[in-house]
Amino acid sequence: ETGVTQTPRHLVMGMTNKKSLKCEQHLGHNAMYWYKQSAKKPLELMFVYNFKEQTENNSVPSRFSPECPNSSHLFLHLHTLQPEDSALYLCASSPEDSGGADTQYFGPGTRLTVL
Amino acid sequence: GQNIDQPTEMTATEGAIVQINCTYQTSGFNGLFWYQQHAGEAPTFLSYNVLDGLEEKGRFSSFLSRSKGYSYLLLKELQMKDSASYLCAATDSNYQLIWGAGTKLIIKP
Repeated sequence: ETGVTQTPRHLVMGMTNKKSLKCEQHLGHNAMYWYKQSAKKPLELMFVYNFKEQTENNSVPSRFSPECPNSSHLFLHLHTLQPEDSALYLCASSPEDSGGADTQYFGPGTRLTVL
Repeated sequence: GQNIDQPTEMTATEGAIVQINCTYQTSGFNGLFWYQQHAGEAPTFLSYNVLDGLEEKGRFSSFLSRSKGYSYLLLKELQMKDSASYLCAATDSNYQLIWGAGTKLIIKP
């Protein structure tokens, strides 16, 4: 039990669909992160939220839209995705957005397949 | 550019010892993490090294040499459950995490 949950665990969507990924952390942390993990590639940081404010957007295409209504919840809204967006999407949290100074706690990820 | 290198895959025998190496090139350096990730599961924290030397935690140890830009994770008395990917990540001068692609460790009986 890592204290970070993600739903759904698996998602298959067409390129014209709109879907959302949800992340919830029960650790009392103030920073939350979205990562993309593709096979045999390093983790790619997508977005960072600290105290509900977005502090980083790593040149992510606009078809990915994050939302952080409070420090415990993080969403990733998806629309008009491409097949190359198929990957494992990981959510993580840490006490604050000190980036690499704090241990990050990860959720189990959502395996996304875009047809 | 910033880069982390670690072997793609390693194989070891149950009960043996294995060393997973990681070399890093970053703009400044503020520490190095090792995470373990079982297939289909979340990465979980193993260790964090800031100073040179070896840190031991049970069967797992992590070593850092800042002057050489080098770290390794040492796993002793390997068990089948140690089959997983091991991710190395270095922190640069801006405290950004630079991730390696991970080393898939296969344990054979």
